[in-house]
Amino acid sequence: QQQVKQSPQSLIVQKGGIPIINCAYENTAFDYFPWYQQFPGKGPALLIAIRPDVSEKKEGRFTISFNKSAKQFSLHIMDSQPGDSATYFCAARRNQGGKLIFGQGTELSVKP
Amino acid sequence: ETGVTQSPTHLIKTRGQQVTLRCSSQSGHNTVSWYQQALGQGPQFIFQYYREEENGRGNFPPRFSGLQFPNYSSELNVNALELDDSALYLCASSFDRSEQFFGPGTRLTVL
Repeated sequence: QQQVKQSPQSLIVQKGGIPIINCAYENTAFDYFPWYQQFPGKGPALLIAIRPDVSEKKEGRFTISFNKSAKQFSLHIMDSQPGDSATYFCAARRNQGGKLIFGQGTELSVKP
Repeated sequence: ETGVTQSPTHLIKTRGQQVTLRCSSQSGHNTVSWYQQALGQGPQFIFQYYREEENGRGNFPPRFSGLQFPNYSSELNVNALELDDSALYLCASSFDRSEQFFGPGTRLTVL
């Protein structure tokens, strides 16, 4: 019940494309779902986060879609750029201040 | 505003040794969480410190220990190092256990 499953493992898109990364969770007690971006040799950087009372959240070119009944959420990157090439992690948290449980990561490559 | 900093950047130890990793939290933050990230994997929660007390622990053995100081900086100590402890160790700070912001990590190699 603690797992967060992320797919795909890797993704290649052309510049301007819209990569979509999906995550599924089991524990209905999760109440906070962030996405992190990690470049090689760096720590994860918080991109955007959503709570289960909202079905969609946009920040710049990044959008989270959330489906509470299906226990799934996804990250969409609009007008993707080569600088977006990185590893993306979804995560979930059960309560305020609780540990983050991360997905396995998606390595995104945006080709020029 | 200074972000989360960690030291050292890289560390090489031999099996059986002990190691101490350090983390300075972002200004205004009072909570520090530690994670272990193996190559090609997502970070795994080790433990969290909130106002100098341990506030949750992941599935790691007791040889992983830590503390938080009055200025909210933190240390992670690992005793009796094993080969499988080789990983990127990440520290994340937050205010009152809210959004977590990660430091650059310490790369530990155990030979």
